[in-house]
Amino acid sequence: DAGVTQSPTHLIKTRGQQVTLRCSPKSGHDTVSWYQQALGQGPQFIFQYYEEEERQRGNFPDRFSGHQFPNYSSELNVNALLLGDSALYLCASSRNAGDLIEKLFFGSGTQLSVL
Amino acid sequence: GESVGLHLPTLSVQEGDNSIINCAYSNSASDYFIWYKQESGKGPQFIIDIRSNMDKRQGQRVTVLLNKTVKHLSLQIAATQPGDSAVYFCAEERGKLQFGAGTQVVVTP
Repeated sequence: DAGVTQSPTHLIKTRGQQVTLRCSPKSGHDTVSWYQQALGQGPQFIFQYYEEEERQRGNFPDRFSGHQFPNYSSELNVNALLLGDSALYLCASSRNAGDLIEKLFFGSGTQLSVL
Repeated sequence: GESVGLHLPTLSVQEGDNSIINCAYSNSASDYFIWYKQESGKGPQFIIDIRSNMDKRQGQRVTVLLNKTVKHLSLQIAATQPGDSAVYFCAEERGKLQFGAGTQVVVTP
């Protein structure tokens, strides 16, 4: 049973460029959340996707956008990259259980460096 | 604002001893808490969770304690092993996970 997979593992971009990160959820999971983790800090919630729609969003600018596909996989897009966007981007999946909260399973992340 | 935080940034533990990692939360309405372990170069790995209707939950070598009166959460690791060296995060979930800054646990021989 494959867990959460993310690609690429590492990425180097320059300021102003755009980037797309990809995530495949754990088998049986239908909800995908994205987190940004700066060095030495805890992950910060970006947004969550369920049924191909953004269900919740954290305090991130509109430069951060996403998409979920019918097979539950997801993409995170960041436009007009800034140096401060350098971080580990984590994807987490879960199974929607209505009002019952279920734990998230994380991928190993994509390390993005903006030069 | 609401926050989830950890008391100690680094915890050094001798192999075989018990570890206790503490976490304070400020959102009294939170009803679900999770502990994650993150090793270098990896994503957070689920350790144990607890809902607000419980005050203690045990797993394999780990115990989570929840004190809602003082809004405090702790993770106890029994017989700490070198493989337990990692950063530990407590997280509070209310539709989304809110993480603290983490505690680095270093296991010494």
